[in-house]
Amino acid sequence: SQTIHQWPATLVQPVGSPLSLECTVEGTSNPNLYWYRQAAGRGLQLLFYSVGIGQISSEVPQNLSASRPQDRQFILSSKKLLLSDSGFYLCAWSNRGTQYFGPGTRLLVL
Amino acid sequence: DAKTTQPPSMDCAEGRAANLPCNHSTISGNEYVYWYRQIHSQGPQYIIHGLKNNETNEMASLIITEDRKSSTLILPHATLRDTAVYYCIVRVAIKAADNKLTFGGGTRVLVKP
Repeated sequence: SQTIHQWPATLVQPVGSPLSLECTVEGTSNPNLYWYRQAAGRGLQLLFYSVGIGQISSEVPQNLSASRPQDRQFILSSKKLLLSDSGFYLCAWSNRGTQYFGPGTRLLVL
Repeated sequence: DAKTTQPPSMDCAEGRAANLPCNHSTISGNEYVYWYRQIHSQGPQYIIHGLKNNETNEMASLIITEDRKSSTLILPHATLRDTAVYYCIVRVAIKAADNKLTFGGGTRVLVKP
């Protein structure tokens, strides 16, 4: 069966520091991968999606970037965090329409 | 993607069936009805989806009306662990870009002992 992992689970970072969140999927090949952000009490905002290695599409302009160095690995990065980057970051995968989410990373920027 | 309307909240007694309604009167012929739930502080969990036939899996049943303008998610025997926000979504799933999920307000379900 397929599983999706995200780490770290929780992160507290100062403003201006870099960020790297990692997501890996097991049990499937060539999945579509997604990064979402969920602000407190709000809905999901799609940040990036990828249909293959090295292929990244950005949905919202921001100071975040994404990379897909391997088929089942998706990384969310920032060079300098802003206070507004705080939120719950969710990675998801799909290969036939249904998306399955990871456990999420809760990021607090102070 | 078609817009959905769900009641903001509902209570359910433990052990009883929970029936969660969703209206999607502008649904198109090629749009599926998806249900997810989000337990506090966790990632959304896929429950079930359907196009026009009723569907059942180990978690729930999905009843879609014949005109497809509304649907009901049924949790047959609610437990305390089913307390969550339940989201009804209608969408076409073709390419990755079309796979973008947009969650509305959802229904906050509280299962009481």
